Amino acid sequence: EVQLVGSGGGLVQPGRSLRLSCAASGVKFDDYAMHWVRQVPGKGLEWVSGINWNGDTVGYAESVKGRFTISRDNAKTSLYLQMNSLRLEDTGLYFCAKDRVRFLGPNWFDSWGRGTQVTVSS
Amino acid sequence: EIVMTQSPATVSVSPGEGATLSCRASQPIFSSLAWYQHQPGQAPRLLIYGASTRATGIPDRFSGSGSGTDFTLTITSLQSEDSAVYYCQQYHNWPPYTFGQGTKLEIK
Repeated sequence: EVQLVGSGGGLVQPGRSLRLSCAASGVKFDDYAMHWVRQVPGKGLEWVSGINWNGDTVGYAESVKGRFTISRDNAKTSLYLQMNSLRLEDTGLYFCAKDRVRFLGPNWFDSWGRGTQVTVSS
Repeated sequence: EIVMTQSPATVSVSPGEGATLSCRASQPIFSSLAWYQHQPGQAPRLLIYGASTRATGIPDRFSGSGSGTDFTLTITSLQSEDSAVYYCQQYHNWPPYTFGQGTKLEIK
């Protein structure tokens, strides 16, 4: 069974940084692209970023481009999201999600973690 | 960016009844649509992909239909554990992958 466990969330002031992690188990991690998706209060789900199996292709939502960086360590079967210059509107529950294939593309997400809460507030 | 619009925002039904949830894309997405179920405190779960193919382990009470811009998730014989927020997602045109705002299904 695939398990994705997110961590690293918390309360942070605007302009500060936070690094999220997602530990994967029960799956051959380097066979799949991975994503971060957030649930923003009152707005549903928003795709944040994705990364292919070996990290050489990444994608970002316009709202986070230039501020967030996605990365992965296949040896540690872990996914990361470095979030800089955080804004109030970045507040939300951040999920890591597994793609169904190695490459970013027209795909759905077949396994998700429970999410880690990020609250940006002064 | 393709905008996904779900309706209704909330639906309340009795156990044993059925429910129909709608999702509309702002432009044609062929059959590039997935449905997810999200219960509070849990990981979202993939229900349907390709607009109508059930994911592994999903009971046949859940069915998806539609293509182009209009899609439907139908749930029959509703049970208390079906209470959740249901999201549709398009993956035809990316980035970004986009989701609807969700339909909250309440079991009376």
